[in-house]
Amino acid sequence: KNEVEQSPQNLTAQEGEFITINCSYSVGISALHWLQQHPGGGIVSLFMLSSGKKKHGRLIATINIQEKHSSLHITASHPRDSAVYICAVRSGSNYQLIWGAGTKLIIKP
Amino acid sequence: GAVVSQHPSRVICKSGTSVKIECRSLDFQATTMFWYRQFPKKSLMLMATSNEGSKATYEQGVEKDKFLINHASLTLSTLTVTSAHPEDSSFYICSGSGADTQYFGPGTRLTVL
Repeated sequence: KNEVEQSPQNLTAQEGEFITINCSYSVGISALHWLQQHPGGGIVSLFMLSSGKKKHGRLIATINIQEKHSSLHITASHPRDSAVYICAVRSGSNYQLIWGAGTKLIIKP
Repeated sequence: GAVVSQHPSRVICKSGTSVKIECRSLDFQATTMFWYRQFPKKSLMLMATSNEGSKATYEQGVEKDKFLINHASLTLSTLTVTSAHPEDSSFYICSGSGADTQYFGPGTRLTVL
């Protein structure tokens, strides 16, 4: 079992739908990242969380430390949100990240 | 929010040449910089960690003489791929960390012909 599990692996939705991507982890963490990677490879840092909730535009990220779970939500989804969303956790005092496998999101117009 | 930039975003070079990739933290001081490599459809793999003014620490299996990392200032790190070969073709991503923050650059696509 991977230490960081994302679900779903693939998600196709219609424009305007509310999207939720989940990330569960089995190790103690000091921080959790959500990244967005577009088909051309370009990476965008979305959030870095250690507790609670963060919001940026239509994106919301939450983390529950007790349950070892984080969610990334996209409100009013748009085709330009189509990308792979990656969850990564920092465990321990070093900077090694443990990566989820990514969730491929396709938003249809 | 904080931004990390990389230059160039895309580079094509001939086998045997060297390529330098720059990574800059634009509005924060990155005391630690990380360099990752991503193979197609794979997760990012940490290549090395560098602290400003110190030698980089390379992960097992990464050749330090081939992937030269310089972290001369709190806002700039460079990765030089020396004597590049086609198998070095990959997507290289840097990340800067400082004071409870860590941000990723957009990546550089290297193609070695």
